[in-house]
Amino acid sequence: DQQVKQNSPSLSVQEGRISILNCDYTNSMFDYFLWYKKYPAEGPTFLISISSIKDKNEDGRFTVFLNKSAKHLSLHIVPSQPGDSAVYFCAASARGSQGNLIFGKGTKLSVKP
Amino acid sequence: NAGVMQNPRHLVRRRGQEARLRCSPMKGHSHVYWYRQLPEEGLKFMVYLQKENIIDESGMPKERFSAEFPKEGPSILRIQQVVRGDSAAYFCASSPLDRGSTLHFGNGTRLTVT
Repeated sequence: DQQVKQNSPSLSVQEGRISILNCDYTNSMFDYFLWYKKYPAEGPTFLISISSIKDKNEDGRFTVFLNKSAKHLSLHIVPSQPGDSAVYFCAASARGSQGNLIFGKGTKLSVKP
Repeated sequence: NAGVMQNPRHLVRRRGQEARLRCSPMKGHSHVYWYRQLPEEGLKFMVYLQKENIIDESGMPKERFSAEFPKEGPSILRIQQVVRGDSAAYFCASSPLDRGSTLHFGNGTRLTVT
């Protein structure tokens, strides 16, 4: 039973346009959400996070939006660059579960020049 | 400022052998986590350790798998009597003290069981 779902295995976007990656979750106990980026043969790299007390967090070209009522979050990358091509994982954790992140299966983003 | 170091990067074992995976956390980090990624899957939590203590092993298979983080030296994930289904990428992560801290991942050990 997947608690964190990324329903799009892949996404292709033109350089300079916006990339929108989506993530849905089922566990209402989740209170902290993260996005990680992963290149082949490397470990995941932290990108951005959001606490459940917020609905938006922005860091440069990356913005994460959280809709708690819909149990949905999204990552916006604008403008997209070829170097953004990677697999993006959404992850969530619940209070009291230090370090126990529940990951989605990932979305492979390809940014075409 | 070295990141999380894992070795070996690749490990090949025959069925029935033992696999030992090592992880040195980032400097100043006292919390270590092990995750496993099967092909086409997301990362799955296995175990959370602090120095000399296992804090949460809810994701560890009940048999053949063990983990330690001794007072001195790296954290070790040990898999006894490996089977083909153990073939996966094993990632270690570390964090400093508080709960809100982000996990920093190593580049993983890819275990292949033949």
